[in-house]
Amino acid sequence: AQSVTQPDIHITVSEGASLELRCNYSYGATPYLFWYVQSPGQGLQLLLKYFSGDTLVQGIKGFEAEFKRSQSSFNLRKPSVHWSDAAEYFCAVTVSGGYNKLIFGAGTRLAVHP
Amino acid sequence: GAVVSQHPSWVICKSGTSVKIECRSLDFQATTMFWYRQFPKQSLMLMATSNEGSKATYEQGVEKDKFLINHASLTLSTLTVTSAHPEDSSFYICSAMLTSGAGGEQFFGPGTRLTVL
Repeated sequence: AQSVTQPDIHITVSEGASLELRCNYSYGATPYLFWYVQSPGQGLQLLLKYFSGDTLVQGIKGFEAEFKRSQSSFNLRKPSVHWSDAAEYFCAVTVSGGYNKLIFGAGTRLAVHP
Repeated sequence: GAVVSQHPSWVICKSGTSVKIECRSLDFQATTMFWYRQFPKQSLMLMATSNEGSKATYEQGVEKDKFLINHASLTLSTLTVTSAHPEDSSFYICSAMLTSGAGGEQFFGPGTRLTVL
């Protein structure tokens, strides 16, 4: 069965530091991969997605992610974190063939220290 | 664009009562909407897929008689938690799909927090 693993439940970084959030997936074929951010009182917002092509994907808010098939990973990165980036981040994969049935990882809560 | 709203944002009810949660796509039509449930500090679990004009497709383990879903129009889907009990307390999130197919993007509502006393 398809699954998504986010090994880090909670990460704390200093403002201005770089960030990498890990995501591993289990899926037989090439997946569609997503990163979402959830802030209190707001709906999940799509940061970026990978369907095919260039394995380095640029997203909104300065985020990027790299698809590595050999490692079954899709890690999210940001070179310099801002205090407003504090939120919950979810990696997700879509089961192909039909509806857009998202399978989410458990999430990583990011705290940013001033 | 592509805004999804949910109403109410929070609701408290007594055990045994039913609660209806609305999900609306405000500026686009969505033939497919999804309902998720999120437990504290956990991920979103897909409950059901709702298609306009047809019966919802429920995920394994989700009681269709407990969680009634109606997708009466291209902009509105409702989730009714029937005979709610404390274990139904959770954060319910809907999403609406802008385009069809496996790569279609979902836009999420802000969620509804249900507390059953």
